[in-house]
Amino acid sequence: GAVVSQHPSRVICKSGTSVKIECRSLDFQATTMFWYRQFPKQSLMLMATSNEGSKATYEQGVEKDKFLINHASLTLSTLTVTSAHPEDSSFYICSANMNNQETQYFGPGTRLLVL
Amino acid sequence: AQSVTQLGSHVSVSEGALVLLRCNYSSSVPPYLFWYVQYPNQGLQLLLKYTTGATLVKGINGFEAEFKKSETSFHLTKPSAHMSDAAEYFCAVTSKAAGNKLTFGGGTRVLVKP
Repeated sequence: GAVVSQHPSRVICKSGTSVKIECRSLDFQATTMFWYRQFPKQSLMLMATSNEGSKATYEQGVEKDKFLINHASLTLSTLTVTSAHPEDSSFYICSANMNNQETQYFGPGTRLLVL
Repeated sequence: AQSVTQLGSHVSVSEGALVLLRCNYSSSVPPYLFWYVQYPNQGLQLLLKYTTGATLVKGINGFEAEFKKSETSFHLTKPSAHMSDAAEYFCAVTSKAAGNKLTFGGGTRVLVKP
């Protein structure tokens, strides 16, 4: 139980294009979903927190117009990297919890490479 | 405010030897503490967690951790390392007051020598 999927697992795009990453909770309803970014050999940095049907809450320093988050349902959240640039290349990981519990379940991550 | 410090970014152990990964936290409210493992190019898998109750918690793959409030620690141990334990390990803290937002330590990479 508590499985979270992400799609795509890897994406390569040209600079200036937009990329959408999906995060799905497969066997539970996620009250909250979280988006993280991880640079090589570093820890996870929380980007934003999203609740179904409401606007995402972004962490300080994260551009909300650059990283658009839509939490359309209790099982799906999307992260769109708009006008991507090479410095946006990173490993993006989502997580979800259920019933406002403390445990987060993580997706497998999406590796983004912007050329 | 909450924070996590993991002592040692790299740990090397021999197969069959004790694995000890150190984690100290800071939290102004009762914490929820977690250990996650990450294999290359993968997401995080929950090893174990402490919320309330028994301070010695057992997790998957033979790992356990003990919550010591007086030492603000949550060290992770495994009696006998296996080659498959080679991975990155993250300690994390949250609380209800923090809205269940996790704060991660810097991670510890474990290398297991045959």
